Amino acid sequence: EAGVAQSPRYKIIEKRQSVAFWCNPISGHATLYWYQQILGQGPKLLIQFQNNGVVDDSQLPKDRFSAERLKGVDSTLKIQPAKLEDSAVYLCASSSQGRGGAYNEQFFGPGTRLTVL
Amino acid sequence: RKEVEQDPGPFNVPEGATVAFNCTYSNSASQSFFWYRQDCRKEPKLLMSVYSSGNEDGRFTAQLNRASQYISLLIRDSKLSDSATYLCVVSTGGGNKLTFGTGTQLKVEL
Repeated sequence: EAGVAQSPRYKIIEKRQSVAFWCNPISGHATLYWYQQILGQGPKLLIQFQNNGVVDDSQLPKDRFSAERLKGVDSTLKIQPAKLEDSAVYLCASSSQGRGGAYNEQFFGPGTRLTVL
Repeated sequence: RKEVEQDPGPFNVPEGATVAFNCTYSNSASQSFFWYRQDCRKEPKLLMSVYSSGNEDGRFTAQLNRASQYISLLIRDSKLSDSATYLCVVSTGGGNKLTFGTGTQLKVEL
């Protein structure tokens, strides 16, 4: 079974530029997550989608970050404009839809390593 | 106070040693608990879930103390391949939302 796919794997941009990341979840997984992992820290949830609806975006800096999952499958995360502190690995994860609030394992993609100069 | 706190390490141990990691969480309403493993420059992967009764998977034993809001991971007979960062993870509320600790780095040496 194919895992979570992400592209690009690496991106270097200058501050104030824009950047977009793409994620394709495991086939059939209804829930998709974007995390930001800064060096030396654990992943931090930015946004969670259930199908094409947003479940949680409380930690998404909405003045510069946006995400969409229009058809309920793949997703894009955009940063516009980028700041130096956005340098991090952006991880996408997916899980099947839980029943009755039960936890369903999240499977992570390889991530996109962003460097903002 | 961070929601999930871990000692970042690194823990440098010889092969064959037993090593224990601890983690505390601040939200008493947390429902599910996990240890994830993350190799250098790789994505996190689920190592094991943690239950109040304690659970074991081969050389790995996880314990949860809800009263103290404390989670532990014990690795026996450490292997070189165990070298990684171990992330303590907590789920609070429904919806599969996970909160990660900063991770504890383990280096197993010859």
